Amino acid sequence: QQQVKQSPQSLIVQKGGISIINCAYENTAFDYFPWYQQFPGKGPALLIAIRPDVSEKKEGRFTISFNKSAKQFSLHIMDSQPGDSATYFCAATLTGTASKLTFGTGTRLQVTL
Amino acid sequence: EPEVTQTPSHQVTQMGQEVILRCVPISNHLYFYWYRQILGQKVEFLVSFYNNEISEKSEIFDDQFSVERPDGSNFTLKIRSTKLEDSAMYFCASRHTSGRDYNEQFFGPGTRLTVL
Repeated sequence: QQQVKQSPQSLIVQKGGISIINCAYENTAFDYFPWYQQFPGKGPALLIAIRPDVSEKKEGRFTISFNKSAKQFSLHIMDSQPGDSATYFCAATLTGTASKLTFGTGTRLQVTL
Repeated sequence: EPEVTQTPSHQVTQMGQEVILRCVPISNHLYFYWYRQILGQKVEFLVSFYNNEISEKSEIFDDQFSVERPDGSNFTLKIRSTKLEDSAMYFCASRHTSGRDYNEQFFGPGTRLTVL
């Protein structure tokens, strides 16, 4: 019940295109859903996060869409750039406690010229 | 900008040896975490630490693991008798307990542990 499923495993997008990564969760108690970006040899860095009381959050080229009834959320990267090439992890947590993060399996994004 | 630091960046050890991985969390953070990432796999929670005690731990965090905050700045993960399957990247993270972004966990660059 703690799982977060993520797809696709890898994604190749042309520069300027839209990258879409999807996640689904099982635990309805989760109330905070961050996306992390990880470059090779580095730790994960928070990209954008959403709470289930809103259906969408946008920060620059990055948008999270959230569907509470379907228990799904997705990351959209608009106008994808080669510098966006990284591994992206969705995660979920229950706040107000230790708030451990349950991560998805990751998506390796490659943005080509 | 404040950041979480970890040492060493890479640790090679023989099976059965003890290792200590070190982390310096962001100075005004009060919640600390260890996660691990086996090569090519997802990041997995190991343990969280608050107010000088473990607040939650995963099934992975068995008796071979321990954590400690020996002073006001360091946070350590000790593996008493390493196994081959402990080979992974270990990430330390920390967060606030209040404020607008208190849910955000800041990750260090990781320590790559190789057990031979």
